[in-house]
Amino acid sequence: NIVLTQSPASLAVILGQKATISCTASESVNKFGINLMHWYQQKPGQLPKILIYNEFSRAPGIPARFSGDEAELNFTLTIEPVEADDVATYYCQQGLTFPLTFGAGTKLELK
Amino acid sequence: QVQLQQSGAELVKPGSSVKISCKASGYTFTSYDMHWIKQQPGNGLEWIGWIYPGNGNTKYNQKFNGKATLTADKSSSTAYMQLSSLTSEDSAVYFCARRQFAYWGQGTLVTVSS
Repeated sequence: NIVLTQSPASLAVILGQKATISCTASESVNKFGINLMHWYQQKPGQLPKILIYNEFSRAPGIPARFSGDEAELNFTLTIEPVEADDVATYYCQQGLTFPLTFGAGTKLELK
Repeated sequence: QVQLQQSGAELVKPGSSVKISCKASGYTFTSYDMHWIKQQPGNGLEWIGWIYPGNGNTKYNQKFNGKATLTADKSSSTAYMQLSSLTSEDSAVYFCARRQFAYWGQGTLVTVSS
């Protein structure tokens, strides 16, 4: 199974500053030149919402404050500038091989 | 618009089974695979498996082999997941989600308790 290691487990950020969340895959998630790595936001008591798909493509309606990047097997979700509405838990997920797997999540709070 | 409407919360006894439904609307049900995801209280997300309603093909996370059974009824555009031999470890919120997880059901809370 592809293991996704997310860090940090929790993150406190000042309003207007930058939040960076990392997700390291245990092996490649690349298919035909596209990294099948996706990011989700889950607010307390709500269902997950897709933010980024295929490494860096923003889902419809997702503001440009959210961006995805990759270096080797290390994927990054960046939120800049952070807004109060961004308080949530963020998950990465790989869509290359079964079983589909998620990272353990990063809880974003305001400092 | 695409909607996935799940059945309500369930309180079930250990050792029993439960069947959760996910009714799809706003798109062609038979053209997209439906996934099921488990989330235990305070925990992360775990993929259970998927079903392709067009032909009934399924794929399971090996961890849930024998625990979860996925089916789909094309006539009612509804996907189902049956969980068997329930234990406290099965207490969780279960989500259905359409292919690529762009659309999710609201979740069904299953509580296993005597």
